[in-house]
Amino acid sequence: QKEVEQNSGPLSVPEGAIASLNCTYSDRGSQSFFWYRQYSGKSPELIMFIYSNGDKEDGRFTAQLNKASQYVSLLIRDSQPSDSATYLCAGEGTDSWGKLQFGAGTQVVVTP
Amino acid sequence: DTEVTQTPKHLVMGMTNKKSLKCEQHMGHRAMYWYKQKAKKPPELMFVYSYEKLSINESVPSRFSPECPNSSLLNLHLHALQPEDSALYLCASSHPGQSNEKLFFGSGTQLSVL
Repeated sequence: QKEVEQNSGPLSVPEGAIASLNCTYSDRGSQSFFWYRQYSGKSPELIMFIYSNGDKEDGRFTAQLNKASQYVSLLIRDSQPSDSATYLCAGEGTDSWGKLQFGAGTQVVVTP
Repeated sequence: DTEVTQTPKHLVMGMTNKKSLKCEQHMGHRAMYWYKQKAKKPPELMFVYSYEKLSINESVPSRFSPECPNSSLLNLHLHALQPEDSALYLCASSHPGQSNEKLFFGSGTQLSVL
């Protein structure tokens, strides 16, 4: 079974620090990876996507992909209380568009 | 406009009721999805429509009946649901048939079955 694994947390991060979230996947054919932020009782919001090995930066967020190690990560710099949410990692295989495989999500708590 | 609109936002229904969830997008996406999400769990795919045709049904019970009247609208008809069907129902859309296409979610319908 193709799986995406995340630590469920909670990950407690002091305000202003860097939050580091990790995700591993089992499907070597997966090409695209997405990070969604979900506040309690709300729907997932796409915050980052990455297709190529290496780093991709967007504002305070950096996504990292290492296909050889089947590893995806998300860094949140200068963490704010508003970053407190659950972060879902999702992967898509080459033959399975439309079928994102979601991880269980990592809860992040930013403490003032 | 990157918005997917879902109605209603909240729904309470009895096990003998018939109700429908509605979803609309105007981003020109030709793939639309229904996901179900239980508390503290990731979203689970239910159905995918591509160019208004059902392309994926993840073995969903027949008490859930999807419908895609046109490229902008997606409905989910509910009948004889069970209390364990209570969940957040999410609609999403994307461009179909291509890898790397981003999925955009609506705000969801919080469903309670009594």
